[in-house]
Amino acid sequence: EVQLVESGGGLVQSGGSLRLSCTASGFRFSSNWMHWVRQAPGKGLVWVSRISPDGSSTTYADSVKGRFTIFRDNAKNTLYLQMNSLRVEDTAMYYCASKSDYTYPFDPWGQGTLVTVSS
Amino acid sequence: QTVVTQEPSFSVSPGGTVTLTCDLNSGSVSSSHYPIWYQQTPGQTPRTLIYNTNTRSSGVPDRFSGSILGNKAALTITGAQADDECDYYCVVHVGSGIWAFGGGTKLTVL
Repeated sequence: EVQLVESGGGLVQSGGSLRLSCTASGFRFSSNWMHWVRQAPGKGLVWVSRISPDGSSTTYADSVKGRFTIFRDNAKNTLYLQMNSLRVEDTAMYYCASKSDYTYPFDPWGQGTLVTVSS
Repeated sequence: QTVVTQEPSFSVSPGGTVTLTCDLNSGSVSSSHYPIWYQQTPGQTPRTLIYNTNTRSSGVPDRFSGSILGNKAALTITGAQADDECDYYCVVHVGSGIWAFGGGTKLTVL
């Protein structure tokens, strides 16, 4: 079964750090671009970051650039998002998603992990 | 900053047809933006409906179709059903590896 499972979410104070993980199974993780997408409570989806299959190329949304770092360990089939200098507005459900290339969708998605940043 | 705009809400009668659109403030949406459409019900992860402008995802009924209409990406739902009532999101590649979601359209079927 193709599956992505996120973990690492929780409650953190403003200015703090958190590391999210996303473990893949059932597909060739090391061949796919991986993305993080977030959704604040009651709000829409927001693209956060992406990483190339070999981890050599990364891209970030302006809202997280310089604070978040995406990286991966293909030997462990795991994607990470290191989040530093967290702000209240980073509060959201964080989803990881796989994408083969530009012509394919974000699919599959994980079930999400909730990050809550308190003031 | 690139902004992707969708209708915040739309209403359609059961059995009717509705077209939701996806617009870019920086110019026209084309197939080069690889538009994707997602359906999301409350508490659930997004479900892929359409990708690469007009390719229907596996298992998606042919009531759902994607296209470029004028200068926007479009999702058309024909024969609307009660369980089509949920949120719809488009996402496009805006360049340099960056993707941008629209704000979503809340569809009501009544």
